[in-house]
Amino acid sequence: EDQVTQSPEALRLQEGESSSLNCSYTVSGLRGLFWYRQDPGKGPEFLFTLYSAGEEKEKERLKATLTKKESFLHITAPKPEDSATYLCAVQVTGGGADGLTFGKGTHLIIQP
Amino acid sequence: GAVVSQHPSWVICKSGTSVKIECRSLDFQATTMFWYRQFPKQSLMLMATSNEGSKATYEQGVEKDKFLINHASLTLSTLTVTSAHPEDSSFYICSAPPWGDGYTFGSGTRLTVV
Repeated sequence: EDQVTQSPEALRLQEGESSSLNCSYTVSGLRGLFWYRQDPGKGPEFLFTLYSAGEEKEKERLKATLTKKESFLHITAPKPEDSATYLCAVQVTGGGADGLTFGKGTHLIIQP
Repeated sequence: GAVVSQHPSWVICKSGTSVKIECRSLDFQATTMFWYRQFPKQSLMLMATSNEGSKATYEQGVEKDKFLINHASLTLSTLTVTSAHPEDSSFYICSAPPWGDGYTFGSGTRLTVV
């Protein structure tokens, strides 16, 4: 069974305090790993897609990396507006539906 | 970029009634739409995949007769929760396949059954 585990469940940081969020996955075959941001009561907002181990992508204060077993979302010098739940999801090979399998997310709070 | 419009944003209904949720692709055609459900502090769980012109595909454990999915056109997919009960209260979200790099999600529908 495909599984995605995110840690920590919640993280509280001071503004400017850099940190990393972890996403571990166990899948039959990975087609893509996705990171999303979700604000309360809203749908997920796309951040990154990673396809192969060693790949890295950056956007503003966020950087996503991928290995064969896990992905990290690094946040550098975060601001209060970065507070949200960050979701990791995988798309697996051979799946007929092509839908995503999500982790439970990391609830990130950035304090001013 | 691709935009998926979902309505309503929230709905309250009485137990035993049915509720329809609409998902429209505004600037592209979607032959497939995915429907997810999210309980508080839980992950998004894929419920079913709607396909334009054919029957929807349901994930294991999802009741086909309770969650009716229709993909009426290349821009519209609907989810109808029939005979809703309080345990069906949840956040329902639709998603279109990648247009570019990532899947595009609707804004979600908060369903409360009283």
